[in-house]
Amino acid sequence: DQQVKQNSPSLSVQEGRISILNCDYTNSMFDYFLWYKKYPAEGPTFLISISSIKDKNEDGRFTVFLNKSAKHLSLHIVPSQPGDSAVYFCAASARVDSNYQLIWGAGTKLIIKP
Amino acid sequence: NAGVMQNPRHLVRRRGQEARLRCSPMKGHSHVYWYRQLPEEGLKFMVYLQKENIIDESGMPKERFSAEFPKEGPSILRIQQVVRGDSAAYFCASSPTESNQPQHFGDGTRLSIL
Repeated sequence: DQQVKQNSPSLSVQEGRISILNCDYTNSMFDYFLWYKKYPAEGPTFLISISSIKDKNEDGRFTVFLNKSAKHLSLHIVPSQPGDSAVYFCAASARVDSNYQLIWGAGTKLIIKP
Repeated sequence: NAGVMQNPRHLVRRRGQEARLRCSPMKGHSHVYWYRQLPEEGLKFMVYLQKENIIDESGMPKERFSAEFPKEGPSILRIQQVVRGDSAAYFCASSPTESNQPQHFGDGTRLSIL
């Protein structure tokens, strides 16, 4: 039962263009969403997050959009740079009993072409 | 990923042996999380610990796996009588409080079972 889905295993984008990574979720109890970036042989690095009370959060070249009615969020990177090539994970947080639990998507591999 | 230290980076064990994975959280962080990543999959939550307490072990296999976070020293993930299916990357993360704050990850331990 995948509560957080990233349906595109990989995405290839030209340098300088916009990269759009998508994430769908099923649990309406999720109240906080995060994007992490992961390079090979390294741990995930936090990128940007959004609370369920917002529909947009922007940080430099990175913007996350949340559509609660569609249970969908997306990460926009513009302009895309070669260093953005990595695996991007979407994660969603919900309070389970008295603890927060992070549920992760399977990741999307972003390839930025020169 | 500076701050959360995991060792060893790579660990090779034969079937039936024990594997011990260590994690030192970031300075000032008292909350530790262990995740497992199988090839081509996202991160799967295993266990959440605070000093000397297991808070949530809902993602831990019921047998052979155990975790601790003693008052002094690193957190340890212990796998007894390893099997081929235990081969994976094991990531540790830490956070300063139990909340929606982003978790900071180590670079993982790659466990290979011969």
